[in-house]
Amino acid sequence: QQKVQQSPESLIVPEGGMASLNCTSSDRNVDYFWWYRQHSGKSPKMLMSIFSNGEKEEGRFTVHLNKASLHTSLHIRDSQPSDSALYLCAASELSGSFNKLTFGAGTRLAVCP
Amino acid sequence: NAGVIQTPRHKVTGKGQEATLWCEPISGHSAVFWYRQTIVQGLEFLTYFRNQAPIDDSGMPKERFSAQMPNQSHSTLKIQSTQPQDSAVYLCASSLQANTEVFFGKGTRLTVV
Repeated sequence: QQKVQQSPESLIVPEGGMASLNCTSSDRNVDYFWWYRQHSGKSPKMLMSIFSNGEKEEGRFTVHLNKASLHTSLHIRDSQPSDSALYLCAASELSGSFNKLTFGAGTRLAVCP
Repeated sequence: NAGVIQTPRHKVTGKGQEATLWCEPISGHSAVFWYRQTIVQGLEFLTYFRNQAPIDDSGMPKERFSAQMPNQSHSTLKIQSTQPQDSAVYLCASSLQANTEVFFGKGTRLTVV
């Protein structure tokens, strides 16, 4: 049983549409959540991180976090074909392991023109 | 800033042979991580170093895998007696300090035939 669960496994949205991705940790020690994007054949690159309850917005990307339920979501508005990629959610603890990230299996997003 | 540098990018070994993978972290980063990525298992943590000291190797298959960081500018991951199930993309990553972005290298694709 993975400690970080992501849903859906795959998602298809039309160009210009909204993509919503979900992630939940079963580890109560988690403090930080990270969203990484990995294009095919490339390495993961960080999109956004969040550790406080609430919402954080950067351009077309918005991240929500509910610390009580250890649930985070990533929303991409005005989706572009270049957003097509594997989106990885990761969780880490503030204390103890230095930024050791535990990843979910990912959501594969396809944005269709 | 060349980012995290991994060599070789591709490596093919015969079953039972040894494979050594190299990583040069971003200069000044104090933490170095090794991950393994496969289609089936996703992105799995293997081990990490902080200020060259091994901190957590809980993800390492104990018998055949070993990692070292002899100086602040490089780390190696050695796999002895490679098996087909070791075939994966091995990713090295580094970060500056706790709870800052983890930067990934481009990975080494290991194929065991």
